[in-house]
Amino acid sequence: DGGITQSPKYLFRKEGQNVTLSCEQNLNHDAMYWYRQDPGQGLRLIYYSQIVNDFQKGDIAEGYSVSREKKESFPLTVTSAQKNPTAFYLCAIKDRGPGQPQHFGDGTRLSIL
Amino acid sequence: EDKVVQSPLSLVVHEGDTVTLNCSYEVTNFRSLLWYKQEKKAPTFLFMLTSSGIEKKSGRLSSILDKKELFSILNITATQTGDSAVYLCAGRRDYGGATNKLIFGTGTLLAVQP
Repeated sequence: DGGITQSPKYLFRKEGQNVTLSCEQNLNHDAMYWYRQDPGQGLRLIYYSQIVNDFQKGDIAEGYSVSREKKESFPLTVTSAQKNPTAFYLCAIKDRGPGQPQHFGDGTRLSIL
Repeated sequence: EDKVVQSPLSLVVHEGDTVTLNCSYEVTNFRSLLWYKQEKKAPTFLFMLTSSGIEKKSGRLSSILDKKELFSILNITATQTGDSAVYLCAGRRDYGGATNKLIFGTGTLLAVQP
């Protein structure tokens, strides 16, 4: 989606290694979200942030961490505590107001070596 | 527990056919229902439905929400091979203030054959 950049597109992680997925936006939206998508399952919310320097856990936050030091950036770290990290990770942003939908980046596919 | 259920799980049709995708939901403090189309990567936004019985239309796609029966349908007429994708449905739960979350269904995989 225009204005949302996720990188890298593909990422490989060794056992016991932390990795960080990048999500950047230039649309000045307040809210940012991280989802995980597994085959045969819907998108599941990992973390979300409504404003800078604030974030909340989603439904499956264990083994993940985030930061929101700048409005345009919401990186996700997949830690070694996440035992099944292989998945497709999607970042989304949302403008203010109840009538605004979330818009998604192109995703990062993470695999374990 | 909140849940969104989509049916069918997958569907194969021929070009020119009309398809109906279903989405039922049980979402506490329900605010709206959203439809997305996902091809290889990013889900792209199709519709947001807030009011019951009002059809939203975009070209060959249309959608409607029934808040009494807790379901929505997405119709695609005169299907084309470019409509092949996973269609995701999500219910938006309101937590008060500016906080709300999307609860996603597992999606319907649509394959349109030439």
